[in-house]
Amino acid sequence: SQQGEEDPQALSIQEGENATMNCSYKTSINNLQWYRQNSGRGLVHLILIRSNEREKHSGRLRVTLDTSKKSSSLLITASRAADTASYFCATDHSGGGADGLTFGKGTHLIIQP
Amino acid sequence: EPEVTQTPSHQVTQMGQEVILRCVPISNHLYFYWYRQILGQKVEFLVSFYNNEISEKSEIFDDQFSVERPDGSNFTLKIRSTKLEDSAMYFCASEAAGAESNQPQHFGDGTRLSIL
Repeated sequence: SQQGEEDPQALSIQEGENATMNCSYKTSINNLQWYRQNSGRGLVHLILIRSNEREKHSGRLRVTLDTSKKSSSLLITASRAADTASYFCATDHSGGGADGLTFGKGTHLIIQP
Repeated sequence: EPEVTQTPSHQVTQMGQEVILRCVPISNHLYFYWYRQILGQKVEFLVSFYNNEISEKSEIFDDQFSVERPDGSNFTLKIRSTKLEDSAMYFCASEAAGAESNQPQHFGDGTRLSIL
């Protein structure tokens, strides 16, 4: 089954606006993580939310998790041109150490100056 | 801030040749991973490594692949006989062992592998 499917696939907004990306998954998780990837670069960890948490904040980022709907959202407030990147959710469904993450296809976010 | 480093950044290899991708994880991390990302597709888990042995591997990680931690700092991925479909970006990641299992994985910038 597919885990970590994001929507939209692409999002273009004006600088200063808020950007919301969603992620859905199908099987139970231990935690869900959001990563950013700039073109041709590696994945940068943004935020981790545990299965028993509902909301988490980090600077301009806000992540929510609804385990009953098996979904998560990433909100970036007051977007900047430097936020242009692809954003991926990744699920850890095992709970032990050395667990491989399952990534979605990502949302490509473009911030128009 | 400590980071995961990968070399080379780009590797071009003839089909059928062996290739070794190298990674230096963050020094106090205990869990190590390899992922790949074929152009335009999602990042896929290959293998995890802990305590000098493979902990988990995916269906992609067949007999052509192997991993090794030859010393205290390097973590390598070897592909024995490369195929065209092995062309992808390969990412190494490492993770600290914490009091709880919820630790983020830290990724390197990747090695772009091109098979001709």
